[in-house]
Amino acid sequence: DIQLTQSPSFLSASVGDRVTITCRASQGVSSSLAWYQQKPGKAPKLLIYAAFTLHSGVPSRFSGSGSGTEFTLTISSLQPEDFATYYCQLLNNYSWTFGQGTKVEIK
Amino acid sequence: EVQLVESGGGLIQPGGSLRLSCAASGLSVSSNYMSWVRQAPGKGLEWVSVIDNGGNTNYADSVKGRFTISRDNSKNTLYLQLNSLRADDTAVYHCARGLRGYAPRGDYYYYFMDVWGKGTAVTVSS
Repeated sequence: DIQLTQSPSFLSASVGDRVTITCRASQGVSSSLAWYQQKPGKAPKLLIYAAFTLHSGVPSRFSGSGSGTEFTLTISSLQPEDFATYYCQLLNNYSWTFGQGTKVEIK
Repeated sequence: EVQLVESGGGLIQPGGSLRLSCAASGLSVSSNYMSWVRQAPGKGLEWVSVIDNGGNTNYADSVKGRFTISRDNSKNTLYLQLNSLRADDTAVYHCARGLRGYAPRGDYYYYFMDVWGKGTAVTVSS
């Protein structure tokens, strides 16, 4: 089975910072990779799909990139409402695996 | 409005069974990929199962042989039958709609989950 490893698991940042989260796959995968944001007690929200396509209504400060075994989520200028946990997810014919998550907290 | 509402969670003893429901409105469970995702207390998201528009199913290894995903098209409702429950099945269970697209440049299909329910809590404890 393909494993997804996010780094870092935790990061502390300030409003206005540029933040990058990495998702590494244990082997090369197609770009069927999605990113989600989750706040405590809430359902996840889709941010990015197909590695770099911004979901409708998601602010343009969010962007995705990558291919093969390494993918990134970038927040160009962190806003107060962006403090949350972020998950990558690989979706293919066989399984829809999540990374372990990256918690973004206020410095 | 597109909405998914889960129900059926509760406190159940180890070894017991439970059936979760996910009532859909504004979308058709028979026309979409429908999935279950769970989150144990204080832990990350774990994909559980998916059923596609053709009725094909897939499961995470952790639940294979114990959980069964199904749907009732007439009720527009998704189900998850949980059998042989263990303490580590304790979690909030979310249903979600999955969509599929095709990337012609890379010649691959991509999937994503764009509509999520708020979840129903399952606690397995004696």
